[in-house]
Amino acid sequence: DVKVTQSSRYLVKRTGEKVFLECVQDMDHENMFWYRQDPGLGLRLIYFSYDVKMKEKGDIPEGYSVSREKKERFSLILESASTNQTSMYLCASSLKTGGAETQYFGPGTRLLVL
Amino acid sequence: GQNIDQPTEMTATEGAIVQINCTYQTSGFNGLFWYQQHAGEAPTFLSYNVLDGLEEKGRFSSFLSRSKGYSYLLLKELQMKDSASYLCAVNNAGNMLTFGGGTRLMVKP
Repeated sequence: DVKVTQSSRYLVKRTGEKVFLECVQDMDHENMFWYRQDPGLGLRLIYFSYDVKMKEKGDIPEGYSVSREKKERFSLILESASTNQTSMYLCASSLKTGGAETQYFGPGTRLLVL
Repeated sequence: GQNIDQPTEMTATEGAIVQINCTYQTSGFNGLFWYQQHAGEAPTFLSYNVLDGLEEKGRFSSFLSRSKGYSYLLLKELQMKDSASYLCAVNNAGNMLTFGGGTRLMVKP
């Protein structure tokens, strides 16, 4: 059974704090993704990684960074949290092939920045 | 640019059939996915279309017309547990997906 886990379901932080969101997958997938999900806007890609230590910017990378030190783990970092980063954050993983591959999602982290 | 449109909300009755439409304009196309997402949960894979036509999977079917930039998800014999958001996503480059805003379906008794 495929499994993507995220470190927290709910998180409350203060403006200016550094925030770490962790994601772990046990499917030996090469690709990992971080999205944020906001009402009416759908899922928007923040960053993705196709291999260890590799990262690519998505559609909305500003204010975020990522780290992929091990294949199974992909971390999203908010260097200085702001209120407009209050959102649901979803991690996903997939195989890396030449074609389209199903992405498997974690349960999400609902982040509130006060 | 990428543009994927789907209705924001739909309501249907238990036992009925509902069709959720998705239109897309993307710079590339390598297939279209439908995901289901219950409130507070992770999106889960429903279907994938890369060729024109209908793919049937039990009560759920998905249709694609690449020339029209159009897809729909058809849900038959609706059940209360089908109340969820349905996400249309286009694979347009490599393994990346671009998502529509999602359609929230409410099934009423």
